[in-house]
Amino acid sequence: GENVEQHPSTLSVQEGDSAVIKCTYSDSASNYFPWYKQELGKGPQLIIDIRSNVGEKKDQRIAVTLNKTAKHFSLHITETQPEDSAVYFCAASMAATDKLIFGTGTRLQVFP
Amino acid sequence: EAQVTQNPRYLITVTGKKLTVTCSQNMNHEYMSWYRQDPGLGLRQIYYSMNVEVTDKGDVPEGYKVSRKEKRNFPLILESPSPNQTSLYFCASSLSLGRGTEAFFGQGTRLTVV
Repeated sequence: GENVEQHPSTLSVQEGDSAVIKCTYSDSASNYFPWYKQELGKGPQLIIDIRSNVGEKKDQRIAVTLNKTAKHFSLHITETQPEDSAVYFCAASMAATDKLIFGTGTRLQVFP
Repeated sequence: EAQVTQNPRYLITVTGKKLTVTCSQNMNHEYMSWYRQDPGLGLRQIYYSMNVEVTDKGDVPEGYKVSRKEKRNFPLILESPSPNQTSLYFCASSLSLGRGTEAFFGQGTRLTVV
């Protein structure tokens, strides 16, 4: 069925290093790919998104890339800071069902 | 302030005792949904609603009910809770079903069924 795979499940980096989280999706007709950040004790919050007609999008220290041919998209966080520590979810909209399917999440820890 | 409000935040109950988790949004969104979050499984959709009186099953609807009598409210009902429904629950609302619009999530309800 429709699914989104997300890797890695946990990621630990030193403050200042970069972090990359990768997702693959199954529905080639998917056209919207958001990323959500969930801080401890809170609900997920949108941090960046990309649509299928764009290959890359940046917003300060975060960027998302999309490879439609390979059905991959990735979140890149540069110059990581302790406040980046959270669980990150990727998602893809499924054309057939017109809803978001979420990945299983990545717990990012940034050590000072 | 635009927000989705869930209550309660924490709930411990016993098997078989009916409970309701409330969800309310103040953004006039048509689309609302419920998710459960479990370790290693991410966010899985339970039910969703595209408008008042219009609801449909998500990926894991068994054991849950919902209603949408008003646009702003979307309560989640567990008629006879079981221990496998112990989870972290999130309500979300958005302008459209899924494509291209931000989903706003509530703070979550941590439910324990003993």
